[in-house]
Amino acid sequence: QQQVKQSPQSLIVQKGGISIINCAYENTAFDYFPWYQQFPGKGPALLIAIRPDVSEKKEGRFTISFNKSAKQFSLHIMDSQPGDSATYFCAASLTGKLIFGQGTTLQVKP
Amino acid sequence: EAQVTQNPRYLITVTGKKLTVTCSQNMNHEYMSWYRQDPGLGLRQIYYSMNVEVTDKGDVPEGYKVSRKEKRNFPLILESPSPNQTSLYFCASSLILSSVGANEQFFGPGTRLTVL
Repeated sequence: QQQVKQSPQSLIVQKGGISIINCAYENTAFDYFPWYQQFPGKGPALLIAIRPDVSEKKEGRFTISFNKSAKQFSLHIMDSQPGDSATYFCAASLTGKLIFGQGTTLQVKP
Repeated sequence: EAQVTQNPRYLITVTGKKLTVTCSQNMNHEYMSWYRQDPGLGLRQIYYSMNVEVTDKGDVPEGYKVSRKEKRNFPLILESPSPNQTSLYFCASSLILSSVGANEQFFGPGTRLTVL
């Protein structure tokens, strides 16, 4: 019930393409869904986040789509760039505690 | 500069030799947490602290200890490290998390620990 399942584990996209990472959860009490981006040798950093009363949030090239009935949410990276190559973690919050997905390593080829 | 610092960044040790990884933040955050990152498992919470002298277990607390004597510091202690504690460790901090939703967590640069 506490798990957040993330897929795919790795993703290779051509420059200019769309990267899509999916997450699924079971516990309907989760109240906050952030995505974190991690570059090699660095700690994760907040990229974008959404609350369950909103179906979509866009910040620049990054969009979260949220499907409350399906208990799924996804990150879309439009016009993917080599500088987007990183590991992405979805997460869900329950009474403030963050539960992370397994992570997706994204490689954007020039 | 607002930041979370961890020391050391890299550590190789042997089984059973006590070690401490320090964590410090300069943002006056109430909430601090330790995670370990392992391939295919994501980030798993070890311990967290809501404020000074208040700590609680996360999902994988076995073999670890923490203390929160000062607001800015949250050291992670391995009393008797074992090879299965070889991992990448992150400290994080944030303003106090509310029941409505979580505030942004700021992560340190990580400590790569190898236990032989």
